[in-house]
Amino acid sequence: TQLLEQSPQFLSIQEGENLTVYCNSSSVFSSLQWYRQEPGEGPVLLVTVVTGGEVKKLKRLTFQFGDARKDSSLHITAAQTGDTGLYLCAGRTQGGSEKLVFGKGTKLTVNP
Amino acid sequence: GAGVSQSPSNKVTEKGKDVELRCDPISGHTALYWYRQSLGQGLEFLIYFQGNSAPDKSGLPSDRFSAERTGGSVSTLTIQRTQQEDSAVYLCASSLRGITGELFFGEGSRLTVL
Repeated sequence: TQLLEQSPQFLSIQEGENLTVYCNSSSVFSSLQWYRQEPGEGPVLLVTVVTGGEVKKLKRLTFQFGDARKDSSLHITAAQTGDTGLYLCAGRTQGGSEKLVFGKGTKLTVNP
Repeated sequence: GAGVSQSPSNKVTEKGKDVELRCDPISGHTALYWYRQSLGQGLEFLIYFQGNSAPDKSGLPSDRFSAERTGGSVSTLTIQRTQQEDSAVYLCASSLRGITGELFFGEGSRLTVL
């Protein structure tokens, strides 16, 4: 059973469109992170959220942490070809463990 | 360099052989993680070190997999009697301690078992 479920698994859109990807779980997380990975490289952190209901913006990217700290979303406005990549959510479950578990990711392709 | 360094970057081996993968974390990072990533998939947790001890090794797939960390720095992941299903990219990451700690990843070691 996957602790973190991401949807959609694949997303192909045109440049300029908006999109939202989701990260869901039945577990409560003390913190949740979003990473972006490009081919041949390791993931790179985009954002960390720790407070239920928290919203963070990073240029055209908006991240939300659910009130119950069980889910999160990433919204991209006016997607660009440079946004293409694998988006991964990752969380540390409540209880003090520092183990970080990842979802399977959303592979985003932005076409020109 | 200042980042996480992994070696080898590519390893092709025959089924049944042993392999060692090395990770050199960022200096001063006390936490070190190993993950496995199959083609285009998410990251599968293998093991986590805090200093030289491994509080969580729950992700190791079988007793053919082992890892150690020495001097609070370099870590080695060893796979004995490799199988074709072990083929994947093995990623190492390091971080400062804490529940909001950012993981800094290396570029990975791509293992192919023939």
